[in-house]
Amino acid sequence: AQSVTQPDIHITVSEGASLELRCNYSYGATPYLFWYVQSPGQGLQLLLKYFSGDTLVQGIKGFEAEFKRSQSSFNLRKPSVHWSDAAEYFCAAVNYGGSQGNLIFGKGTKLSVKP
Amino acid sequence: NAGVTQTPKFQVLKTGQSMTLQCAQDMNHNSMYWYRQDPGMGLRLIYYSASEGTTDKGEVPNGYNVSRLNKREFSLRLESAAPSQTSVYFCASSPSGNTIYFGEGSWLTVV
Repeated sequence: AQSVTQPDIHITVSEGASLELRCNYSYGATPYLFWYVQSPGQGLQLLLKYFSGDTLVQGIKGFEAEFKRSQSSFNLRKPSVHWSDAAEYFCAAVNYGGSQGNLIFGKGTKLSVKP
Repeated sequence: NAGVTQTPKFQVLKTGQSMTLQCAQDMNHNSMYWYRQDPGMGLRLIYYSASEGTTDKGEVPNGYNVSRLNKREFSLRLESAAPSQTSVYFCASSPSGNTIYFGEGSWLTVV
C-alpha cells in the first residue's frame, strides 16, 4: 500500500540552528512529493513540491528539500530556524495514476523552537 | 482572490444532528477533496471528486456523504453526527495532475 512516513513526531531546535525533517515514501513509482506547514488553528500552506528534474527543491520561507530516489526520501531542511517556524509540518505524496489522484499525508512533525 | 472557502469555520452539534459543510473554489479546478484531521493522524481523505459529476470514496468515508454541486462547489454532509466525527475538516482543490490547495478548515465538535 502507498504510504508516507514521518519518523519524528516532535522535534525541538534552538533558534538559529539548522533543521532537517525526515520523510519517507512507499510507492510503486516515484510520486509527486510535497511539504506543507500548518500553524496552530490555521490551514495548510504549501512550502514546496517535487514533480521531476532537479532533486534539490527550493521553497518559500527559506526551506528546501532533497529528493533521494535510492532512499525513498524527501527530507525538508532549513539552514537557520526562526521562532516563527514553530508549527506542524506535513509531508505528502500523490500518484496521479489514471484519473484518480489523492494526496496521502504523513502524520506530521511538530517543530518547537527554543529561544 | 479567495482560493478555497469553507463554511462554517466552527460548529457544535449534538449527537444525531445533521449538518452540511460547504466548500467553494474560485480557481476553476477540476478536482476537489474533503479531508479530516485528527491529532497524531495527519490528514485522511474522506471523499474526493476528480471532476464535476463524479465522486469517490477515500480512506474514511463512513458516516459522510458528498455532493459535487457544480465545478465550484463540493459539500460534505453528516447525516447523523457522532462524537467520533469531532475533527477539523479541510476542503481542497487542484487542477488535474497538479498541486492541491487547502481551505482554512472547519472545526466541528459533536457532543
